[in-house]
Amino acid sequence: NAGVTQTPKFQVLKTGQSMTLQCAQDMNHEYMSWYRQDPGMGLRLIHYSVGAGITDQGEVPNGYNVSRSTTEDFPLRLLSAAPSQTSVYFCASSYGTGNGYTFGSGTRLTVV
Amino acid sequence: KNEVEQSPQNLTAQEGEFITINCSYSVGISALHWLQQHPGGGIVSLFMLSSGKKKHGRLIATINIQEKHSSLHITASHPRDSAVYICAVVNHGGSQGNLIFGKGTKLSVKP
Repeated sequence: NAGVTQTPKFQVLKTGQSMTLQCAQDMNHEYMSWYRQDPGMGLRLIHYSVGAGITDQGEVPNGYNVSRSTTEDFPLRLLSAAPSQTSVYFCASSYGTGNGYTFGSGTRLTVV
Repeated sequence: KNEVEQSPQNLTAQEGEFITINCSYSVGISALHWLQQHPGGGIVSLFMLSSGKKKHGRLIATINIQEKHSSLHITASHPRDSAVYICAVVNHGGSQGNLIFGKGTKLSVKP
């Protein structure tokens, strides 16, 4: 089925560990983005990409890296996990600002 | 002050009631999105608006660009409509695709 696939759905990390959250879409969308959702706050943009080879920072980029080597994939890397990165992470894709967004099912990350 | 404000934060309704959720924003926008997030977390796009009104089934979304305000209406509400409804705007002139989100309205529809 066409859509945005996020893996894993759940993850527990120890402080200082690194990991990669995967995001893949099969709709040939140019725009992809990562958001985090925390209680009492709206979703906040971490990083985004407007096409393969192009990425940029969002509102809360510190502690995260991204790359976009293909149109389909947009992984999010946590370099050295901290408890403040405990959150639910969503990946989304779109043809562009004038179009609707498709969201992944989310990754619930706990850093202990 | 948040750039996107939603009201109410929480809403409880009886099945069959007409529901309105409001969204006000303070920035210039090129589009506004209404999203639905069910318990369990998945987010679904309901509408994208740049002017006027859109309808899909029992859902109606309107936007007034001059007043910087949008509403989401649900007619003949049903318990399966229980979810968090999120308003998000695309900041005109901002980074491409940069959505600014409201904090959401949690709707509970009782049978």
